[in-house]
Amino acid sequence: NAGVTQTPKFQVLKTGQSMTLQCAQDMNHEYMSWYRQDPGMGLRLIHYSVGAGITDQGEVPNGYNVSRSTTEDFPLRLLSAAPSQTSVYFCASSYSSSGGETQYFGPGTRLLVL
Amino acid sequence: GDSVTQMEGPVTLSEEAFLTINCTYTATGYPSLFWYVQYPGEGLQLLLKATKADDKGSNKGFEATYRKETTSFHLEKGSVQVSDSAVYFCALRPSGSRLTFGEGTQLTVNP
Repeated sequence: NAGVTQTPKFQVLKTGQSMTLQCAQDMNHEYMSWYRQDPGMGLRLIHYSVGAGITDQGEVPNGYNVSRSTTEDFPLRLLSAAPSQTSVYFCASSYSSSGGETQYFGPGTRLLVL
Repeated sequence: GDSVTQMEGPVTLSEEAFLTINCTYTATGYPSLFWYVQYPGEGLQLLLKATKADDKGSNKGFEATYRKETTSFHLEKGSVQVSDSAVYFCALRPSGSRLTFGEGTQLTVNP
């Protein structure tokens, strides 16, 4: 199994540009989520999905859209990038949303918005 | 709401020293508790977890005990190595809900 994969690894955008961060998992996990990591703030949940066709907002959803058309894929879209979205983005998945389930993380996408 | 408070870092130790990273939490109900580790340039990996009170999670010489009475889940290791240098995150997850992380503690172990 490849686990959780993310592309690209690094991206530079100009303010106002749009882009999609890709996330895929091959573990047949129902639960997927996106986090951003900023210095001194830990990881904050952006959006999550409990299954194909179902998504919901996390702690910091503004400026981001998601969709979940398949179990495997959970892309994160930035419609109009802003410098405040400069961060490291992690995708994660788990078998279910049960409390004890381990979340598996991708390697991250480092985004710089100029 | 749910929250996790971690010992502020960074923490610098010499090889073979004893490590404690404090973690306390606030949550309704009975969440599962986790420690994740992030090595430089990588994503987060599960280090250990505990799903109910008095459970002890352990892995790679690290241990943490779920203390409901003190709402704590402190991470300990008896003898750290240079290879343990990383950022450590405490996290909680109530059933059917999201994972909430602490701010992370940077650990540096010098030879």
